[in-house]
Amino acid sequence: GAGVSQSPSNKVTEKGKDVELRCDPISGHTALYWYRQSLGQGLEFLIYFQGNSAPDKSGLPSDRFSAERTGGSVSTLTIQRTQQEDSAVYLCASSLGQNQNIQYFGAGTRLSVL
Amino acid sequence: AQSVTQPDIHITVSEGASLELRCNYSYGATPYLFWYVQSPGQGLQLLLKYFSGDTLVQGIKGFEAEFKRSQSSFNLRKPSVHWSDAAEYFCAVGPSIYNNAGNMLTFGGGTRLMVKP
Repeated sequence: GAGVSQSPSNKVTEKGKDVELRCDPISGHTALYWYRQSLGQGLEFLIYFQGNSAPDKSGLPSDRFSAERTGGSVSTLTIQRTQQEDSAVYLCASSLGQNQNIQYFGAGTRLSVL
Repeated sequence: AQSVTQPDIHITVSEGASLELRCNYSYGATPYLFWYVQSPGQGLQLLLKYFSGDTLVQGIKGFEAEFKRSQSSFNLRKPSVHWSDAAEYFCAVGPSIYNNAGNMLTFGGGTRLMVKP
């Protein structure tokens, strides 16, 4: 694919339900990032994967949030027991590697928790 | 910890007028700096970046930015704004081999640009 692909583009869920958001990075990019964009909080880093290294989870806001990256490519961000404050746009980015490399962003998944 | 400040939340300019969007950063070492643009419902598109060297960098769509270490600033400029430039603009500090603050981009709060006909 030409760019970073995220699905679904929109997700509406009920409070307390679990959701999975998917990110398909640019082929060959070893680094993958998740960010959250919400009103009042701006753009916040969530988690970072680089190759086979342990992910940097320092930005995850609670233990309800988790992410995995299978086969060094596709990543899934899972939010368990969603809360209304989880409503936001979740952006995924990928890059060739860390340091100096440009991060390319997907169009995001807009999550609405009712 | 690194931080980025964009003092202007909203800016309105007339089409054809010049534009300057301000960005100030707080950083302990040589920063890697970026400007991204986000149109409604879209992801972030890179306009330009500064890693080292010439402090005046050129980007896409006629944008440029100047890194001023003494002022901790990386302001974005465009000599003549087009209606299609209406969007939200984000300044960011990025990962560096000199940076111990992690691998993520740290973003400013964004500046929403409106263009009057």
